[in-house]
Amino acid sequence: ETGVTQTPRHLVMGMTNKKSLKCEQHLGHNAMYWYKQSAKKPLELMFVYNFKEQTENNSVPSRFSPECPNSSHLFLHLHTLQPEDSALYLCASSQERRGGYGYTFGSGTRLTVV
Amino acid sequence: GQQLNQSPQSMFIQEGEDVSMNCTSSSIFNTWLWYKQDPGEGPVLLIALYKAGELTSNGRLTAQFGITRKDSFLNISASIPSDVGIYFCAGHPTGTASKLTFGTGTRLQVTL
Repeated sequence: ETGVTQTPRHLVMGMTNKKSLKCEQHLGHNAMYWYKQSAKKPLELMFVYNFKEQTENNSVPSRFSPECPNSSHLFLHLHTLQPEDSALYLCASSQERRGGYGYTFGSGTRLTVV
Repeated sequence: GQQLNQSPQSMFIQEGEDVSMNCTSSSIFNTWLWYKQDPGEGPVLLIALYKAGELTSNGRLTAQFGITRKDSFLNISASIPSDVGIYFCAGHPTGTASKLTFGTGTRLQVTL
């Protein structure tokens, strides 16, 4: 497999459930990201990992807990979510270098909290 | 944080028409990127621009990195139904190699 793979593609969970989103990249990139995309709102950066270390947390509520066990895998653990957390969650990866670089995105997980 | 103003927010065009959208910033950017997002999918990189004044094409798509380094435009010629989607500009502000900044997107609808 190549690119960035996210599973599951769709997830419906209750507010008391615990679930995890998974992201895997086969591009040899050294940085990975979680974004939230809500209807009619810009992409919101949630977390950034460089070389497995978390380098950014954009004031994300603690009910979202990221985990990056190695440079190829990224998880987003979810617990006690709220209906307003329903959104498309996108994972991306990149290879940091001077002058800037583009991100490669996965297809996303469509999350619905009921 | 950095703001990218993307316009128009949405466009309704007929098949065969040309499309133009742009992105502006109040600060200088090192890199400009254009992404397209199909419904239910993640954004896919269309064109990357790395030098001021650079003009790059990808099939029917053409994008330019503004001379002032504060803007970029994307043109789509002879639009087809599969051009439907949301187009995002993105870039790296000067002084940082991290955290790509995204525009708010232009939603394109193509009618037959």
